[in-house]
Amino acid sequence: QSVLTQPPSASGVPGQRVVISCSGSSSNIGSNFVHWYQQLPGTAPKVVIYRNRERPSGVPDRFSGSTSGTSASLAISGLQSEDEADYYCAAWDNSLSGPSVVFGGGTKLTVL
Amino acid sequence: QVQVVQSGAEVKMPGASVKVSCKASGHTFSSSDINWVRQATGQGLEWVGWMNPNSGYTGFSQKFQGRVALTWSTSVSTAYLELSSLRYEDTAVYYCASESGNSGFEYWGQGTLVTVSS
Repeated sequence: QSVLTQPPSASGVPGQRVVISCSGSSSNIGSNFVHWYQQLPGTAPKVVIYRNRERPSGVPDRFSGSTSGTSASLAISGLQSEDEADYYCAAWDNSLSGPSVVFGGGTKLTVL
Repeated sequence: QVQVVQSGAEVKMPGASVKVSCKASGHTFSSSDINWVRQATGQGLEWVGWMNPNSGYTGFSQKFQGRVALTWSTSVSTAYLELSSLRYEDTAVYYCASESGNSGFEYWGQGTLVTVSS
């Protein structure tokens, strides 16, 4: 059971806009930055959104992030076949046992 | 160009220890926090812990408290993860990743498969 909650799957056709949600609590998303990672099969994850809405250089502007309260969202517009991957949200959590990084369970994005 | 290289795959018996190394080129690793994340086959990402090479500060997931050690060798600019009392459920790919200024895990190693098997 992951601390951050994501839908296990999402799908869309090329050109469509897809949104992946990530739900947390006041101790993580509600008080810390959210980062989003893309993981292609057999490879290490790659950050596509950091600090809620910032995009690293080289990441297409089709990727965008937002937060509201204790939830975060990753939106991918103009969906392309190469976007098919697993996506994870992550944030620091200010738990009583000490700060830790928590991940969502991951969302498998399928481009139909 | 930044490249992060981890040590090769390991096979260990239950109860043994494993040490995984992580070295960066083209990037001053010591100026970042180094995190370790693991992923069992077909499963999601799980954070293990972090360390700051300059200060020596470390932090761990409560799940691994007492079983994990994160160290840094200044002479070879390499980070290490050592996990002891291995269990079958520790079988996973272990990644190192650097983070600077709370900007997410920017640079990742290629991953090291640790298999716990009798």
